Amino acid sequence: DAGVTQSPTHLIKTRGQQVTLRCSPKSGHDTVSWYQQALGQGPQFIFQYYEEEERQRGNFPDRFSGHQFPNYSSELNVNALLLGDSALYLCASSLSGWDEQYFGPGTRLTVT
Amino acid sequence: AQSVTQPDIHITVSEGASLELRCNYSYGATPYLFWYVQSPGQGLQLLLKYFSGDTLVQGIKGFEAEFKRSQSSFNLRKPSVHWSDAAEYFCAVLLYGGATNKLIFGTGTLLAVQP
Repeated sequence: DAGVTQSPTHLIKTRGQQVTLRCSPKSGHDTVSWYQQALGQGPQFIFQYYEEEERQRGNFPDRFSGHQFPNYSSELNVNALLLGDSALYLCASSLSGWDEQYFGPGTRLTVT
Repeated sequence: AQSVTQPDIHITVSEGASLELRCNYSYGATPYLFWYVQSPGQGLQLLLKYFSGDTLVQGIKGFEAEFKRSQSSFNLRKPSVHWSDAAEYFCAVLLYGGATNKLIFGTGTLLAVQP
């Protein structure tokens, strides 16, 4: 049973560019959450997708957007990248409701 | 506001010694609490969770945690630390209800293990 997978593993972008990160949830899970983890910090909730819709959003600007596909996989898009967007981006999947979340290995984004 | 506090940013213990990592939470409803471990450059692995019932919960890798409602705490313990336990540990509370299902994390405790 494959766990949560994310791609790519590492990414280097320039300020002002746009980036797309991808996540495949654990088999049987229908909810995907995205977190940003800056260096030396705990993960911060970005948003959550369920049934292809954004169900909840944390305190992140509109430059951060996402999508969920019918197979429950998800993308995180960040436009107009800033140096401060450099972080580890974690995807977590769960069943609908309040079930525990399983995390992927993350995508390390570096903005130069 | 809901929050999680991990008072110790960095802890160093000797291999074989006991360990306790502190976690305090602020949450109005019945908390669902978690401890995750993160090795360098890796994602988060769930160590244990508390939803209800017995306040002493057992997890993987020999870890346990005790929920104390009166102290709003959920401290993580291990009787004998191994060198492979060196990692960063995060406590989290699950906010839930209606369409809400998100984790609030503490800032983490970095554990170093001396030989």
